[in-house]
Amino acid sequence: QSALTQPASVSGSPGQSITISCTGTSSEVVIYNLVSWYQQHPGKAPKLMIYEGSKRPSGVSNRFSGSGSGNTASLTISGLQAEDEADYYCSSYAGSSTLFGGGTKVTVL
Amino acid sequence: QVQLVESGGGWVKPGGSLRLSCAASGFTFSDYYMTWIRQAPGKGLEWVSYISMSGGSIYYAESVKGRFTVSRDNAESSLYLQMNSLRAEDTAVYYCARALYGSGTGWFDPWGQGVLVTVSS
Repeated sequence: QSALTQPASVSGSPGQSITISCTGTSSEVVIYNLVSWYQQHPGKAPKLMIYEGSKRPSGVSNRFSGSGSGNTASLTISGLQAEDEADYYCSSYAGSSTLFGGGTKVTVL
Repeated sequence: QVQLVESGGGWVKPGGSLRLSCAASGFTFSDYYMTWIRQAPGKGLEWVSYISMSGGSIYYAESVKGRFTVSRDNAESSLYLQMNSLRAEDTAVYYCARALYGSGTGWFDPWGQGVLVTVSS
């Protein structure tokens, strides 16, 4: 059981926007600007999409944005495209360790 | 460009040992923390270990503490993971990644392509 909770799946049609949430458990607080997000296509290594809660690395589309409130961080994909179909993981840095969410499968309908 | 390439994976019997390597290029290896992260077949990501730039600070997940040892050779720009007393639940793709820090938090970029470790009798 992951310490960070993500929905198992989220779907949307091309062009739509979707949001993936990442919530801390009762013992793990999520501070959204400490969260990073990773995209993983089948059989491939994860790729950094968002760090420090809302910052995009060079080369990542501005269709990806991070935000948060309270004990929840969120990743929003705007203008959904077929290539966005992948698994997405949130991660929360905890000093001497790191927690990952269970992952969310994004399906483009 | 910045690149990480893992090697050393394979099949091993329960109780056996295996040593993974991660060769870094395209950046000054000694300036960065490094990490190992694993992913069991069909499952999510699990952080395994951190090692500081000099190797003086090392952290492990509880699931591997006492069995795995992380090390690095800055002269060779290489990261290692010695895995002993392997169990079936250690079966996973193991990724090395560069750890970056800022504003009180950390993240991983880039990741290697991963190497499969299978523990089975």
